[in-house]
Amino acid sequence: AQSVTQLDSHVSVSEGTPVLLRCNYSSSYSPSLFWYVQHPNKGLQLLLKYTSAATLVKGINGFEAEFKKSETSFHLTKPSAHMSDAAEYFCVVRSGGGADGLTFGKGTHLIIQP
Amino acid sequence: GAGVSQTPSNKVTEKGKYVELRCDPISGHTALYWYRQSLGQGPEFLIYFQGTGAADDSGLPNDRFFAVRPEGSVSTLKIQRTERGDSAVYLCASSRDTLGEQFFGPGTRLTVL
Repeated sequence: AQSVTQLDSHVSVSEGTPVLLRCNYSSSYSPSLFWYVQHPNKGLQLLLKYTSAATLVKGINGFEAEFKKSETSFHLTKPSAHMSDAAEYFCVVRSGGGADGLTFGKGTHLIIQP
Repeated sequence: GAGVSQTPSNKVTEKGKYVELRCDPISGHTALYWYRQSLGQGPEFLIYFQGTGAADDSGLPNDRFFAVRPEGSVSTLKIQRTERGDSAVYLCASSRDTLGEQFFGPGTRLTVL
């Protein structure tokens, strides 16, 4: 069994300041981990993924995430927020070696203040 | 190239009616997934196909829900005797194979009155 907990339902930051979206996971096997973004009225888009290679993963639009096995965490960060980053972000887990569907967290709504 | 498309974009129906939701995956993608996203929640896995066969249907909530993919391309999600609790956005995704990146469609918003 696998699960994902996103620790914040809403995060608000000022434009130009750092972003931190927190995620903890649980998985019986070595997991693959993802972050997806969902803009209003648009489809889900993959930001980045971890699949047992480098623990620091770089994604699109300046986002990155670090896989920490000891903490079972996969937090998403960005050094400087942009207004266009306002969206819903989902942390996602998939059991290692499996061809299962993805297990999504409940999402974190990122608000960017001007 | 074209992404995953879903039709209709919106569907309003009455309780007890039957509905069909269609998904056109990216050409050449052998794996196809259905998810359901209720308001304020993350998507929940329903079923996935590898080719024509349903490889895992463990996420279907009950036997009112059924999905087919007869020719290994287009898929249809069928819901019988709809209930108000079925109201959600139904998302489809496809991937080159079962371990590849999943590309999502825009979803079908189903409203059951």
